[in-house]
Parts: sequence; structure tokens; C-alpha cells
Amino acid sequence: AQSVTQPDIHITVSEGASLELRCNYSYGATPYLFWYVQSPGQGLQLLLKYFSGDTLVQGIKGFEAEFKRSQSSFNLRKPSVHWSDAAEYFCAVGDMTSRFGAGTRLTVKP
Amino acid sequence: DGGITQSPKYLFRKEGQNVTLSCEQNLNHDAMYWYRQDPGQGLRLIYYSQIVNDFQKGDIAEGYSVSREKKESFPLTVTSAQKNPTAFYLCASSIVGGDGDTQYFGPGTRLTVL
Repeated sequence: AQSVTQPDIHITVSEGASLELRCNYSYGATPYLFWYVQSPGQGLQLLLKYFSGDTLVQGIKGFEAEFKRSQSSFNLRKPSVHWSDAAEYFCAVGDMTSRFGAGTRLTVKP
Repeated sequence: DGGITQSPKYLFRKEGQNVTLSCEQNLNHDAMYWYRQDPGQGLRLIYYSQIVNDFQKGDIAEGYSVSREKKESFPLTVTSAQKNPTAFYLCASSIVGGDGDTQYFGPGTRLTVL
């Protein structure tokens, strides 16, 4: 069965610091993997996705994620966080019936 | 502009009443989805539809109903049988195949049952 775990419920980083949000998945085949961002009271916006090929995926807003099959992980990274990055981040796996993680809330300190 | 619209943004209903949430898309997507989001939880799939006049139950379909009479529209009815309907509801759409079924989301409807 498909499942996604985001181990960190809440992360706080200082503006300008680097960021890594963790995502572990369980999937029977080669997974489709996604990262979405959600601002309060809004819908989800796609940051990036992985289907196949290069395991380092570039997304919007300066984010990237690396697929590591051996670790069943798809962690999201950003080298320098901006205050506007404060939001909730969701990892998802699958296709038609995607499974979403519980989310990681990011707080950015000035 | 192509996109997904959900209306209304906020909805209040009395307990025991049915309520219908609207979702419309002009992206020409075949598939549409309804999710429920509760604080501290991820998204849980209620129903999805890959084609007009056909839909499938997701993980938490009990107490909800949908219809797909037009490709552009996928309304969700929250019935009085839903025990805890207060939540944030998100609609999404995608093409079928090719794009990994990347889902595009609407802005959501916050339903509060008093």
C-alpha cells in the first residue's frame, strides 16, 4: 500500500539559512513523487515532481528535491530560505489516488 | 486564465442539513478529486472521477456524495450522515496519464457546521 511519512511536524529556520524537509514513502513500484506548498487558507501549489530520470529535481521558488530509492526518501531542500517561504509543505506519492503526508509547517525567523 | 474555482470560500450550515460544495475547472482535465483536510493532518481522498458520469470512492467517502454530469464540474454534497463535517475541502483536477497525474488544486472551501 502507498503511504507517506513526513517526520517533522514543525520546523523553524532563520531567514537565509538552508532548509531540508524530510519525506519517506512506501510504494510498490517506481513512485511518482510530489512536493506541494500551502499558504494558510489556500489550496496547494505544486513545487516539483519526480517521475523518472535524474534523481535531483529542480522546482519553482528555488526548491529542489532528491529521490533516493535505497532510502525510500524524497527530501526537499532550499539553500537559503526567505520569509515568504513560511507555509505548510506536503509530500505526496502515487498517481490517480495519491497519498499525502501529514505536512510540515515551516516558520521562518527574521 | 485556466484554473479551478471553488465556491463559496466559507460556508456555514446547521447540523443535520445537507450542503453542496462547488468545483469547476476550465483546464480541460479529465480527472477531478475531492479531499478533506483537518488541522495537523494531510489530505484525505473523498471521491475521484476519471471521466464524466463515473466516479470512485476514496478513503473517506462515507457521508459524502458526488456527481460528474459535465467534464468541467464535480460538486460534492456533504450529507447529514457525515458525523464530523467541519473541515477544509479541496478540489483538484488532473489529466489522465502522461503527466504522472499531477494534480492542480482549487483555493478550497472551509465548511463549518454549527
